[in-house]
Amino acid sequence: AQTVTQSQPEMSVQEAETVTLSCTYDTSENNYYLFWYKQPPSRQMILVIRQEAYKQQNATENRFSVNFQKAAKSFSLKISDSQLGDTAMYFCASSQGGSEKLVFGKGTKLTVNP
Amino acid sequence: ETGVTQSPTHLIKTRGQQVTLRCSSQSGHNTVSWYQQALGQGPQFIFQYYREEENGRGNFPPRFSGLQFPNYSSELNVNALELDDSALYLCASSFATSTDTQYFGPGTRLTVL
Repeated sequence: AQTVTQSQPEMSVQEAETVTLSCTYDTSENNYYLFWYKQPPSRQMILVIRQEAYKQQNATENRFSVNFQKAAKSFSLKISDSQLGDTAMYFCASSQGGSEKLVFGKGTKLTVNP
Repeated sequence: ETGVTQSPTHLIKTRGQQVTLRCSSQSGHNTVSWYQQALGQGPQFIFQYYREEENGRGNFPPRFSGLQFPNYSSELNVNALELDDSALYLCASSFATSTDTQYFGPGTRLTVL
């Protein structure tokens, strides 16, 4: 069974600074996918970034990047140049395939302060 | 390209009643997954439909059931509502390949009194 753990219930950062959100996971599969989703107060779950486990290179999407440590089963999200619009709940998730069921962590509430 | 839509936005029911939630998948997608998100928690997988057949189910009782239609839209039905069914219900669509990603709708907030 897959499990995903987010150990930081809440975090805050000043606008324009950098913040890192932590995530660890457990799976017995060799091929799996990892995701970070953002859920603002509007409730809609928005994909931030995804990583295929077979790729060694860390995924990057504009100001968002991940640090994928496969041996340690760690998948952290770095947000650079934080913006007020980044304020949201951030969920780490894993799946055995891109279209397979997602297993989510409990989330980290990120607040970006002006 | 039309995104995932869900209806209704909010719903209030009483214990014991039945409810139907609806989801229209994103254009080109043939797979729909449903998730329940209790307050302060991450979403929990309910079930997935692929080409009108159930394709995987989470740890939810049989009173949670679903349908997928030929146009790939989907319904989630919950019978004999309980207070603990109060949650945000999220629908996600994708194209059933190993490289695709699930895209979520805005959710339906269900309150059971």
